[in-house]
Amino acid sequence: DVKVTQSSRYLVKRTGEKVFLECVQDMDHENMFWYRQDPGLGLRLIYFSYDVKMKEKGDIPEGYSVSREKKERFSLILESASTNQTSMYLCASSPFGTGGSYEQYFGPGTRLTVT
Amino acid sequence: GNSVTQMEGPVTLSEEAFLTINCTYTATGYPSLFWYVQYPGEGLQLLLKATKADDKGSNKGFEATYRKETTSFHLEKGSVQVSDSAVYFCALSFTGGGNKLTFGTGTQLKVEL
Repeated sequence: DVKVTQSSRYLVKRTGEKVFLECVQDMDHENMFWYRQDPGLGLRLIYFSYDVKMKEKGDIPEGYSVSREKKERFSLILESASTNQTSMYLCASSPFGTGGSYEQYFGPGTRLTVT
Repeated sequence: GNSVTQMEGPVTLSEEAFLTINCTYTATGYPSLFWYVQYPGEGLQLLLKATKADDKGSNKGFEATYRKETTSFHLEKGSVQVSDSAVYFCALSFTGGGNKLTFGTGTQLKVEL
């Protein structure tokens, strides 16, 4: 069974802290994605990666960075957490392909609260 | 840019009622279209997809037809169950786009006995 796991389901951090959200997939997928989900806004893409050490900005990269040192792991980093980064964070992976029709597989999400 | 518009929720239905959730898109070219579902406390999972005009995606009794002329991909089910209560997201992606998805805002469905 395919699996995307995220390091925490719930996380509470203080303003200014450095926050790491980890995502691991066991499907040998090339593409990995980080989204944030907010009520009324749907899912918005923060960053994605199509290979180890490769990354591209999504629609809302400000305040975030990412790291992909191994194929199966994709980390989202909040360098200095702020209250407006309180959100649900979803990781996803998909096979590499240019057809545009490949399914993305999602993790269960991390609900981050910044106080 | 590309965008997806979904009907506002929540949508509340009685069990065995007919469901329609509207989805329209704005895009240059012909994207692939998807419906994802998010059950409470879980991540999203693919419900169905269509990759070209007039294709019909179907799964678990849900259907959606890719209508190029109206740029729409409405989700339908003939008889909903309580277990269908979830948030439904319409999304699109393009060939050569790295499988990036553009999502709508989601529509919450509540099905009552």
